[in-house]
Parts: sequence; C-alpha cells; structure tokens
Amino acid sequence: QKEVEQDPGPLSVPEGAIVSLNCTYSNSAFQYFMWYRQYSRKGPELLMYTYSSGNKEDGRFTAQVDKSSKYISLFIRDSQPSDSATYLCAMKKAAGNKLTFGGGTRVLVKP
Amino acid sequence: EAGVAQSPRYKIIEKRQSVAFWCNPISGHATLYWYQQILGQGPKLLIQFQNNGVVDDSQLPKDRFSAERLKGVDSTLKIQPAKLEDSAVYLCASSSRDQNTGELFFGEGSRLTVL
Repeated sequence: QKEVEQDPGPLSVPEGAIVSLNCTYSNSAFQYFMWYRQYSRKGPELLMYTYSSGNKEDGRFTAQVDKSSKYISLFIRDSQPSDSATYLCAMKKAAGNKLTFGGGTRVLVKP
Repeated sequence: EAGVAQSPRYKIIEKRQSVAFWCNPISGHATLYWYQQILGQGPKLLIQFQNNGVVDDSQLPKDRFSAERLKGVDSTLKIQPAKLEDSAVYLCASSSRDQNTGELFFGEGSRLTVL
C-alpha cells in the first residue's frame, strides 16, 4: 500500500464548476500538507500548504485537512481553462524536509 | 530571480548506456533534491543534499545511480548502466532553510527515454 493515495483522474469539468480533489494517507506522522500544480512538461509549483488539521483559503482555492480521517482536500471554485493541470498532494513529517507525493490527479476544465 | 536550471531537457539512449543530468539551483538555496517522476506517477525522492553533504539517499539505486554536488551549488545525477525502467522525468528542486511551508522550487525536468 502506498503511503499517499490519489485518484489519477482525469477529472473533466465545465468552466465555472467547482473542482474537488482529495488524497488519503496512511502515515500519522505527516504534519504538513501541500498541494502542487504541474502543467504539462513543467515542474510542479506549490499552490497551498496547511499545517495539521483545518481549512485554508487563498482566492479561489481552499485546502482542507482532516487528520483524524487521514484525508486532505483541495477545492477550486469558479474553475478556469487555465486550471487544467495535474494536481499533486504532498506531505511531510515534522522533522526533515522530505516530501512524499501522491500520484497526481489530472484536471481538465473545458471552456 | 532565476529559477532552477536543468539540462538536457530531453535525452534518448539505449539500455546499458550512461547518461548525466545537470542542475543549477536557485542562488542561495542550500538544499537540493533530485526526484524521479515516472509517467502518470508523483515525484519520488532519489537524493537530497544539504550544501554538499547527502541528507537522504535511501531511495537511490546505488548500483546504477550516482549524484554529487561539488562546492554546494551545481549538481549532477548520473545513471550507468541505464535500464528500460529508468525512463522518466528527472526533476531537480531546491529550497531555502525555512522548510515548514514545504515549498520546493522545481526545474522543468530532464526527460529520459531508454530504448
């Protein structure tokens, strides 16, 4: 079993819809949770990070962490074609800098 | 601010040949990472350097992969001999000392195809 599981998609939505992404994990030592966005043939870039449980909002993006369920989510409101990319969840323990990534979910927002 | 530079962007080799990838991190970033991303999967850490010392190389296949970071700046990742399953994108990333945000800055990657 992988430490971090993520549905690979693809997830296809019409422009303006809410995109809902999630990851589950098995290692309770993970304390920091991130979402990276990766455009085709580019490197990943950090979108949001959250420490421990709770919600965080940044513009059209909302990240949620539920440590009791070992479940994290990312919501994209009013999705745009430019949001079409692969979204990777990533996590790390309190000590050290090693990130463990999920497999990524491909999202396609159709105009 | 210049980003993480990697070269070559693309490389095609036959199995059992060797290949080397180069990375120049963001200026001032002490930590450098090499990740392997197989098609359809998330990046997997191969090796992490802090300045020119190795912090974590637990997932580096040391019988064929090697990496160095001389003088704590540029880094080279070498594969010798290559296998078909090494076909992947090799991503270099760097970060500054403040790690709690989990923000790694990635290069565009070096795409390797082994025939």
